Amino acid sequence: EAQVTQNPRYLITVTGKKLTVTCSQNMNHEYMSWYRQDPGLGLRQIYYSMNVEVTDKGDVPEGYKVSRKEKRNFPLILESPSPNQTSLYFCASRGLFQAFFGQGTRLTVV
Amino acid sequence: DAKTTQPPSMDCAEGRAANLPCNHSTISGNEYVYWYRQIHSQGPQYIIHGLKNNETNEMASLIITEDRKSSTLILPHATLRDTAVYYCIVKDHPMYSGGGADGLTFGKGTHLIIQP
Repeated sequence: EAQVTQNPRYLITVTGKKLTVTCSQNMNHEYMSWYRQDPGLGLRQIYYSMNVEVTDKGDVPEGYKVSRKEKRNFPLILESPSPNQTSLYFCASRGLFQAFFGQGTRLTVV
Repeated sequence: DAKTTQPPSMDCAEGRAANLPCNHSTISGNEYVYWYRQIHSQGPQYIIHGLKNNETNEMASLIITEDRKSSTLILPHATLRDTAVYYCIVKDHPMYSGGGADGLTFGKGTHLIIQP
């Protein structure tokens, strides 16, 4: 079954404590991306990756890092989280026409 | 990418066909129409896409006008589980976009509420 798996699903952390949200896909897709969703602002792209070792900024990259060392994994790294990064995060993996999204990670930074 | 306009909300009775409109008057020749939906805080789910011909799959039908300036997503027999926000997105195929940033641009969508 085609799947994008994110972990954790829920996370509460404190300001400044580094965290990583993992994302894995089983479809051998080259293109992966991260989005955040906030009330009234909709879904916005944070970073994307066209292939292994190829990443680039999306619309709202500040405060985030990503890496793509292997095709299936695309972790999102918050080196020093701040309260304005409290949000719902989605990882996506795209095939020829169809994008598959993970179930989301609800992050709260206090 | 061309912009889209959708009604903010719609109601539909369970078992009836739900017809969701989308205007995309500035669509260009190589841009596709994609539909996704998001059921309360879950990850968006792909529904269907089309270029100029009408399309049908197991989830829905997509009707695109001849001038391609608008389209309608049809859920033929809506159920309560179809209550969601539906997004109409117009975007060119990655093979035409030169491989640059081609994330999906989600607008506010249409909140479809299926009434029992």
